[in-house]
Amino acid sequence: GAVVSQHPSRVICKSGTSVKIECRSLDFQATTMFWYRQFPKQSLMLMATSNEGSKATYEQGVEKDKFLINHASLTLSTLTVTSAHPEDSSFYICSARDAGGWTEAFFGQGTRLTVV
Amino acid sequence: EDQVTQSPEALRLQEGESSSLNCSYTVSGLRGLFWYRQDPGKGPEFLFTLYSAGEEKEKERLKATLTKKESFLHITAPKPEDSATYLCAVLRGSGGYNKLIFGAGTRLAVHP
Repeated sequence: GAVVSQHPSRVICKSGTSVKIECRSLDFQATTMFWYRQFPKQSLMLMATSNEGSKATYEQGVEKDKFLINHASLTLSTLTVTSAHPEDSSFYICSARDAGGWTEAFFGQGTRLTVV
Repeated sequence: EDQVTQSPEALRLQEGESSSLNCSYTVSGLRGLFWYRQDPGKGPEFLFTLYSAGEEKEKERLKATLTKKESFLHITAPKPEDSATYLCAVLRGSGGYNKLIFGAGTRLAVHP
C-alpha cells in the first residue's frame, strides 16, 4: 500500500516555543491531507483538511492561528503548533488521500508531542 | 448529529476464540465505512472499506460486514499478534467536502 511518512515521531518542547510536524506522501500525489489529534484511549479527532495550494479548512473549535497548516506541494503538508502549551501535548496524526478518490486513506506513524 | 459508536470498548480473548467487534453509526451522506488497526504509539493501518449494505470483505482471519446501521469485524481463531485497537470510521460527504468520523475503537487483547 501507499506510504505516508510523518516526522518527527516524538518531540519534547518548552512551553511557548513552536513545533513543526511534517507529513509526506512517498509514492503518490496527495491532493488532500488531513490532520488529526488523538488523546489516550479516545478516537481520532479531525483538526483540519488541507488541499494543495489552498488554505486549510479547520474543524469547529480548532484555532487556526495556533495550528498552522501548509500544503505547499502534492507530497508535503506541515502542521506547526505555535506557542505550545502543556495542554497541546497529544498524539498528532496525518493522513493523505490521492487524487483517485476515497478508496482508502493512508496514515502517517503519528507524532507524540510533549510540551513541558 | 453524526455519530460512530464501537463496542465493546475492550475485549479479551483466548487464542483461537473467535468473536466480533461492532460499529454502529448514524450519519448523513454515508459514502463508505472504513476499518483500521492501530498499534500503540502508531498511526492507523488500513484494513477494509465497505460501501454498501450487504457487502463483505475478508483478509486473513478478519472479515468485515456492513448493514444500513452497523458494521461487524469478525475475527476467526485470533492469534496474539492480532492484539491491537480496531478503529471504525465512516466517510461522510457533504457538498464536496468529505471527512472521516472515527469511533473510539475496541482494544483487543488475545492471550496465548
